Order: sequence, then structure tokens, then C-alpha cells
Amino acid sequence: TAGITQAPTSQILAAGRSMTLRCTQDMRHNAMYWYRQDLGLGLRLIHYSNTAGTTGKGEVPDGYSVSRANTDDFPLTLASAVPSQTSVYFCASSDLAGDLDTQYFGPGTRLTVL
Amino acid sequence: GQNIDQPTEMTATEGAIVQINCTYQTSGFNGLFWYQQHAGEAPTFLSYNVLDGLEEKGRFSSFLSRSKGYSYLLLKELQMKDSASYLCAVRDSNYQLIWGAGTKLIIKP
Repeated sequence: TAGITQAPTSQILAAGRSMTLRCTQDMRHNAMYWYRQDLGLGLRLIHYSNTAGTTGKGEVPDGYSVSRANTDDFPLTLASAVPSQTSVYFCASSDLAGDLDTQYFGPGTRLTVL
Repeated sequence: GQNIDQPTEMTATEGAIVQINCTYQTSGFNGLFWYQQHAGEAPTFLSYNVLDGLEEKGRFSSFLSRSKGYSYLLLKELQMKDSASYLCAVRDSNYQLIWGAGTKLIIKP
């Protein structure tokens, strides 16, 4: 089982350009999440989706957009990248079933905006 | 505001025991998670506490005191492969995870 895959693994992007980070899960989880991880800071939630067709804003949503057309895919788009969006981006999923509701993470995308 | 505090870095010796503390102040509490993250890799789930007390899972144990807003992760019989960052996260009243910055654990032979 692949679990969660993300693409690309890494990317260098010029400021002002747009980019879509891809995330696909094969666990049929209801919920999906996008986090960014920066040195010295905890994981910060960008956007989430509790079920296909719905999305919500997390702690740091500005400059990012998401869509959830189906259960498996949850792409994250940067419309016009800025250097402060340089970070490692993790996609995660959970099944929202029961109290535990563990989040499972993809391998991450390392993005550098110059 | 919401806050999760963990030590930035700890060092321990192979074969020893180490305790990593986590204190939290959040809007609501619906469980506390510990994750392990090796350098350059994704976080992976270690443990979950929602009631006070100790949860033991092999060499790893996690403790929770909700009244004190405090948890710790106890790692026994340390191995070199335990060198990693350990992330504490609390699920708040909105059922979102609030993450600490992580504790980098360095294991020395």
C-alpha cells in the first residue's frame, strides 16, 4: 500500500510564479490536511478537508488554495509564490473515525521560492 | 493563544532512559499525540493519550496529566535509531492538532 504520495519531492520556484503541490492517498480516508514545517516552529495547518467537496482554512491559509474534488486527491496551489513560502510541505490524512483519528503523513515537498 | 512547549534538544546515551516533556495551553483538549520524525522524513505516529495516566507501548511510554497541562514521552533502552525529533501535538476544541516545535534527541554511543 502506497499510503500518501506527494509530488514533487522538491522544487525551486521563482517569486511570482504559481505552483500546485500534489497529494494523493489510497487509504480512503475522509479527512486530508496540508501543513508547512519551518525550522524552530511546529507544524502549521494551512488548509484541511473533512470530506470530498468541502475545505476549511487552517492557521496560515493566506497565499494558498486547495480543492477536494474526490476522496483521494488534495492539491495545494500557490497562486503567486513569495520567498516566505519557502518551507517543507506535508500532506496528511485521517479517517475521522473514532477517538484516535491518527494522522498519516506523506513524505513532504521541499519548496524554495527565490 | 494556544501554546505547546517542548525542549529544543536533548542528548542521551545508548542503552539509557530519556524523558521528553511537553506542556500545553490550548483552547479545549481532545487528546495528546506524540510523533517521531527522522531528519528529512515525515512524522510517524507513536502514541495517544486522552485520559490521565501512563500508556505503555514496548520501549516507549507516554504520560498525561490534564489538570497540569503536561505530558511526557519516556524512551527506554535507547538505540541509535531513536535519534530523531519527537513532536507533541494537542487536539483542540475544534478537533485540529496544535503542534509543538519538536525535541531533537541525539543519542551518543
